[in-house]
Amino acid sequence: SQQGEEDPQALSIQEGENATMNCSYKTSINNLQWYRQNSGRGLVHLILIRSNEREKHSGRLRVTLDTSKKSSSLLITASRAADTASYFCATDALGYGNKLVFGAGTILRVKS
Amino acid sequence: DGGITQSPKYLFRKEGQNVTLSCEQNLNHDAMYWYRQDPGQGLRLIYYSQIVNDFQKGDIAEGYSVSREKKESFPLTVTSAQKNPTAFYLCASSPWDAQYEQYFGPGTRLTVT
Repeated sequence: SQQGEEDPQALSIQEGENATMNCSYKTSINNLQWYRQNSGRGLVHLILIRSNEREKHSGRLRVTLDTSKKSSSLLITASRAADTASYFCATDALGYGNKLVFGAGTILRVKS
Repeated sequence: DGGITQSPKYLFRKEGQNVTLSCEQNLNHDAMYWYRQDPGQGLRLIYYSQIVNDFQKGDIAEGYSVSREKKESFPLTVTSAQKNPTAFYLCASSPWDAQYEQYFGPGTRLTVT
């Protein structure tokens, strides 16, 4: 079964607004990552947060991790039309070797 | 999409035919992976290989086969035994010591009719 599940499934916002996506997972993890996928393309790695970290920033991205709740959030600030894409969280779970497990993703649409 | 290439971008086949998808990387990565993506879903692991001449089944290996004769190449064959082969296929690679850091190719969209 899938480890990560994103919420919401789809999000539509105006350019300049912030976008928040959430990811929940089921078992203890080593790391959690967020990827972006433009329509019909491969995945692009955005940010990795380790299980002993609580928050991480990269440009307009802010990721938080709450291991007690087994959840993570991705915040994109001052969104742009180019941020329109699907966003996936992926976890490598303890005891699951080096394999990544992906959630179903959140489809973000940023309207200009 | 880094140094990973997948070809072709679009592939059409008749039902009952085997088809091989290409994946090549020039990142000198030891590990390579094949994922399947269906509309509205996340990626599911088909096969992975951590070293040359060795590979392991993922979560949905039935109806697929792979080979790893060279470090740079990890082709995936979709056999006629795969019941629902139409999907988007993504190849990835990662360093041996950081296999959670996966770099993805652009994908191949396979349509079987």
